[in-house]
Amino acid sequence: EVQLVESGGGLVQPGGSLRLSCGASGFTFSAYWMSWVRQAPGKGPEWLAHIRPDGSGTKHAESVKGRFTISRDNTKNSLYLQMNDLRAGDTAVYYCARELVGGVVDLESWGQGTLVTVSS
Amino acid sequence: EIVLTQSPGTLSLSPGERAALSCRTSQSVSSHSLAWYQQRPGQAPRLLIYATSSRATGIPDRFSGSGSGTDFTLTIRRLEPEDFAVYYCQWETTFGPGTEVEVK
Repeated sequence: EVQLVESGGGLVQPGGSLRLSCGASGFTFSAYWMSWVRQAPGKGPEWLAHIRPDGSGTKHAESVKGRFTISRDNTKNSLYLQMNDLRAGDTAVYYCARELVGGVVDLESWGQGTLVTVSS
Repeated sequence: EIVLTQSPGTLSLSPGERAALSCRTSQSVSSHSLAWYQQRPGQAPRLLIYATSSRATGIPDRFSGSGSGTDFTLTIRRLEPEDFAVYYCQWETTFGPGTEVEVK
């Protein structure tokens, strides 16, 4: 069974940093493109970034480019999102997700999410 | 930038009825990248349909997708109690605002 478990969320002050992690199990992690998606309270999902199976390429949404960085460690079956210069508008539940087909953002498996709150 | 519009915002129906949810794109798009998700309260979104009309693994056949160009539709043939949820369309990396299907 595919399992994705996010961690690392919490309360952070504006301007602060946070690193989210996503542990994967139940599938060959190193074979899949992976994405991060967030959802602000009462809003629809917002795709943030994705990364190639071998980590050799990434793409980030314009809204977070330069502040957020996606990465992975296939030896640890883990996906990461480094978030810097956090703002109130970054408050959301953050999900990691596995893509169905390489490079196409059809997100077939999702974690349960981790809540990030940016507030002073 | 492609903008997605979903209608109606809320759909009030009874179990057993048919639901038709609309997703319109601001310009003509490839149907290869149009997907639909279901989100129940407190849960992550779940992929229902990808490439406009292909059902994801484990999705019941009462769910179907269709469309082309700028107009796409998710149809739920006979609503089951667990189908009352919010539905999002997605084109490439952009999600629509959602349609809530609520119990009438």
